[in-house]
Amino acid sequence: GIQVEQSPPDLILQEGANSTLRCNFSDSVNNLQWFHQNPWGQLINLFYIPSGTKQNGRLSATTVATERYSLLYISSSQTTDSGVYFCAVKSGNTPLVFGKGTRLSVIA
Amino acid sequence: DAGVTQSPTHLIKTRGQQVTLRCSPKSGHDTVSWYQQALGQGPQFIFQYYEEEERQRGNFPDRFSGHQFPNYSSELNVNALLLGDSALYLCASTQSGREFFGPGTRLTVL
Repeated sequence: GIQVEQSPPDLILQEGANSTLRCNFSDSVNNLQWFHQNPWGQLINLFYIPSGTKQNGRLSATTVATERYSLLYISSSQTTDSGVYFCAVKSGNTPLVFGKGTRLSVIA
Repeated sequence: DAGVTQSPTHLIKTRGQQVTLRCSPKSGHDTVSWYQQALGQGPQFIFQYYEEEERQRGNFPDRFSGHQFPNYSSELNVNALLLGDSALYLCASTQSGREFFGPGTRLTVL
């Protein structure tokens, strides 16, 4: 099945800093989503982005489907951005496959 | 507009027991998926229900079964619980390719 690798596995930032999270996948995809899991376990859908670029406030995402990667940018990070960021993909008719996540800690 | 809801929030069971978890999808969503998330891992797909039928299934044993009701709500049943079934169980409803998750049920098997 499709493999999803996320990097870095852990990231510590000072409040106000910017960061880039990466998601590599092993096959062509027809669905790619980014999620944020807060410390209480709630998964929030950030982007549905199988290709192209989207922005939502301080967050933006870019997927280059032909090169099999996606990037999530967080600008001017805040402590509330802390948590785990997951990339998840579908290839063909497969169910959603998640990466292992990037654990982000933003320090005041 | 209520989001995806799940009950109960937490549950403690002993090995060999059976458990039922419940999920109500976001209003207007007719497709419900269940995931298991072990500590430190990403969610793993268990199965998906659409029009009261299991449409897809992940790599989980038959001890895991489900049901979808005419109002699109769903149940996840796990029989003969094992210690390894301890995890966060997440329900998601789908619209336009996007998955929207509930808060989860944390199951502890002793």
